[in-house]
Amino acid sequence: NAGVTQTPKFRILKIGQSMTLQCTQDMNHNYMYWYRQDPGMGLKLIYYSVGAGITDKGEVPNGYNVSRSTTEDFPLRLELAAPSQTSVYFCASSPRLAYEQYFGPGTRLTVT
Amino acid sequence: AQTVTQSQPEMSVQEAETVTLSCTYDTSESNYYLFWYKQPPSRQMILVIRQEAYKQQNATENRFSVNFQKAAKSFSLKISDSQLGDTAMYFCAFMILTGANNLFFGTGTRLTVIP
Repeated sequence: NAGVTQTPKFRILKIGQSMTLQCTQDMNHNYMYWYRQDPGMGLKLIYYSVGAGITDKGEVPNGYNVSRSTTEDFPLRLELAAPSQTSVYFCASSPRLAYEQYFGPGTRLTVT
Repeated sequence: AQTVTQSQPEMSVQEAETVTLSCTYDTSESNYYLFWYKQPPSRQMILVIRQEAYKQQNATENRFSVNFQKAAKSFSLKISDSQLGDTAMYFCAFMILTGANNLFFGTGTRLTVIP
């Protein structure tokens, strides 16, 4: 099993550009999450999904969009990138409620 | 609001010694889980240990153990026989068992194990 994979590992965007961060898990987990980690801070929830076709906002959703068309994939879309979105982005998945979350290796995004 | 406070931004410990990392949290929920995650330089988030709030017994996992004081909302991590591979950022987090079940994280403690 590869677990949770994320692409790309690093990306530099110019202000106003858009991009999609990819997240795939091969563990057949229903629950998936996107977090961001700003320098010197803990992770904060952006969006989450409890199954294919179902998504909801977390603590810091502004400037992002998600979709969940399959159990495996949970892409995060950044529209009109801003410097405030410079961060490390982590995707995580979990098989059920009240259980450990498994994290991907993260994507470091810089917006200049 | 859910908050997690880690008051020690950095700590160091000699190899083979014991170190304790502090964590306090605030929530009005009565049912939740607590976690310690390790983040080495590779950036990968790795679960170290977890504690269910309804359990009085402190969790242990090999060299890692916790001191869970529910009334004080305190959840410290003890690392015994520290090894060089323990060098990492350590994040305390908790999960309320409603809604998204997402994790609320502290700001982390950077631990350095000195040879």
